[in-house]
Amino acid sequence: SAVISQKPSRDICQRGTSLTIQCQVDSQVTMMFWYRQQPGQSLTLIATANQGSEATYESGFVIDKFPISRPNLTFSTLTVSNMSPEDSSIYLCSFRGTGTKNEQFFGPGTRLTVL
Amino acid sequence: DAKTTQPPSMDCAEGRAANLPCNHSTISGNEYVYWYRQIHSQGPQYIIHGLKNNETNEMASLIITEDRKSSTLILPHATLRDTAVYYCIVRASTDSWGKLQFGAGTQVVVTP
Repeated sequence: SAVISQKPSRDICQRGTSLTIQCQVDSQVTMMFWYRQQPGQSLTLIATANQGSEATYESGFVIDKFPISRPNLTFSTLTVSNMSPEDSSIYLCSFRGTGTKNEQFFGPGTRLTVL
Repeated sequence: DAKTTQPPSMDCAEGRAANLPCNHSTISGNEYVYWYRQIHSQGPQYIIHGLKNNETNEMASLIITEDRKSSTLILPHATLRDTAVYYCIVRASTDSWGKLQFGAGTQVVVTP
């Protein structure tokens, strides 16, 4: 199965600043997904990133706050803009495999703390 | 996608079978039942999925009731490494995008 990595693994940021999280897959994938997991909570889908087109955001998430890039079939970035302490979460990227299982593979996550 | 209901937590003794229930009473005919687990500080991991037949793989078994309104994930011989949050997710086969909607899941703690 493909390997998926994220950078950074964790960061501590000041409010008002922005952080860009990188997600790298070692094979070409069509759809990539970004999730947020707030402390003690389940995962919430932020957006779906398709190469060559703008990301599609879920209800409650907007492009100005979470801009996403998808420059090629192996890479995506999520930026958390103008951060506040409420943005402290784990951010995970994922992609759907091409096999018959239609399973999703997840990165290890980026743990973000905003002071 | 249909909503799922799971117990918030379960304890299981090491070496015993763990039976994790999931209710999905509003499931549609084209929706699959997927199970993922999330070990602490890791991303979720696929376990198994099924449509209407029972399924088994190297990790677990999935039993789906005949009316498909509920299912049970069985970990046959639980180990300490099976301690995780287990998510039951219903997803339509026609969902070509493949996105997953996670519920609260069941926190399973395997004890020695």
